[in-house]
Amino acid sequence: DGGITQSPKYLFRKEGQNVTLSCEQNLNHDAMYWYRQDPGQGLRLIYYSQIVNDFQKGDIAEGYSVSREKKESFPLTVTSAQKNPTAFYLCASSIVDMNTEAFFGQGTRLTVV
Amino acid sequence: SQQGEEDPQALSIQEGENATMNCSYKTSINNLQWYRQNSGRGLVHLILIRSNEREKHSGRLRVTLDTSKKSSSLLITASRAADTASYFCATDGRGSTLGRLYFGRGTQLTVWP
Repeated sequence: DGGITQSPKYLFRKEGQNVTLSCEQNLNHDAMYWYRQDPGQGLRLIYYSQIVNDFQKGDIAEGYSVSREKKESFPLTVTSAQKNPTAFYLCASSIVDMNTEAFFGQGTRLTVV
Repeated sequence: SQQGEEDPQALSIQEGENATMNCSYKTSINNLQWYRQNSGRGLVHLILIRSNEREKHSGRLRVTLDTSKKSSSLLITASRAADTASYFCATDGRGSTLGRLYFGRGTQLTVWP
């Protein structure tokens, strides 16, 4: 089954802790993206990567970090510097082309306790 | 911001009725896409319309695009309770990073049986 998998589905973090969200895809897509979604809001881009070992900041990168060591994997670390991390996080992938659709994972809901 | 904006924010209809959602955007685009999100889940791609297209159909979905007005509409005909979801429009930005999408805040559609 081809697709994009995020884990865990739910994550709880104590204030001051870093946490890492996993995103894996077997679609052979070059591009991967991390979005944040807050209640009643659209998706805001955190980071994206179009090729292994390279990534770019999106609109709200502060307090987050990523790595892209393998084509299939694009983990997101929410650091203690992120002041309001409670949100729904979505990972997506696509081919790098004009007029291409994005494929999304099922999301990770992060709650700070 | 290049973000699209959907209208209305919420729409409530009976099964069998048609649902129309609108999207406005600000910059020139190569394409506009519509996605669906069930509560607490990832986004699913519905349809992509290119900037040189005016109308596109897919099953019960009909999408129009008016680039002169920078607007699009999504029509769902003969709606069903299973169509209950949030619907988002997404635009790329002509001259922007290939594959990068800008999402609106979505329309929450509720279809009553």
